[in-house]
Amino acid sequence: DGGITQSPKYLFRKEGQNVTLSCEQNLNHDAMYWYRQDPGQGLRLIYYSQIVNDFQKGDIAEGYSVSREKKESFPLTVTSAQKNPTAFYLCASSIGPSGWYNEQFFGPGTRLTVL
Amino acid sequence: GESVGLHLPTLSVQEGDNSIINCAYSNSASDYFIWYKQESGKGPQFIIDIRSNMDKRQGQRVTVLLNKTVKHLSLQIAATQPGDSAVYFCAAPNQFYFGTGTSLTVIP
Repeated sequence: DGGITQSPKYLFRKEGQNVTLSCEQNLNHDAMYWYRQDPGQGLRLIYYSQIVNDFQKGDIAEGYSVSREKKESFPLTVTSAQKNPTAFYLCASSIGPSGWYNEQFFGPGTRLTVL
Repeated sequence: GESVGLHLPTLSVQEGDNSIINCAYSNSASDYFIWYKQESGKGPQFIIDIRSNMDKRQGQRVTVLLNKTVKHLSLQIAATQPGDSAVYFCAAPNQFYFGTGTSLTVIP
């Protein structure tokens, strides 16, 4: 059953801690993305990766880091430098890079709450 | 029922009526658009897409209209059902643009 999985579904973090959100896809997609969703706002791009071992900053990359060591995996670390990390985080993938007519498939999301 | 996007982020319709959800975009370079449906606490689901060389595309119970002159998209849902209740937003993925969305509530 192909798709994108994100874990955990809910995550609680104390201030000052780093946390890593998992995103895995078995769709054999080249491109992967991380978005942040806040109430009343459209999705905002954090990072994206068009190919393994390469990634680009999005509009709101400050306080976040990513890696893309495997095609299937694109974990996001929310560092203590991110001042307002409480949000719903969505991972997506597409068969090819952005700039083509490629649908982005989304995972179920991780809700991060800072205590 | 019809929404005007940012100025009217909620839309309530009676079951069986048609729904129209609107979206404005600003980047004239946008050449590919997607409508997504997002239920509470879940990830967005693809509904329908359209390329800029088209002005209309139909799916099952859904139609997307594109007016490039005024940079406007609309999603029409025919015979709206309670299961259609969700937030709907447009996207221009090549520009990483995602609309804020319209919350559709279907009244049984």
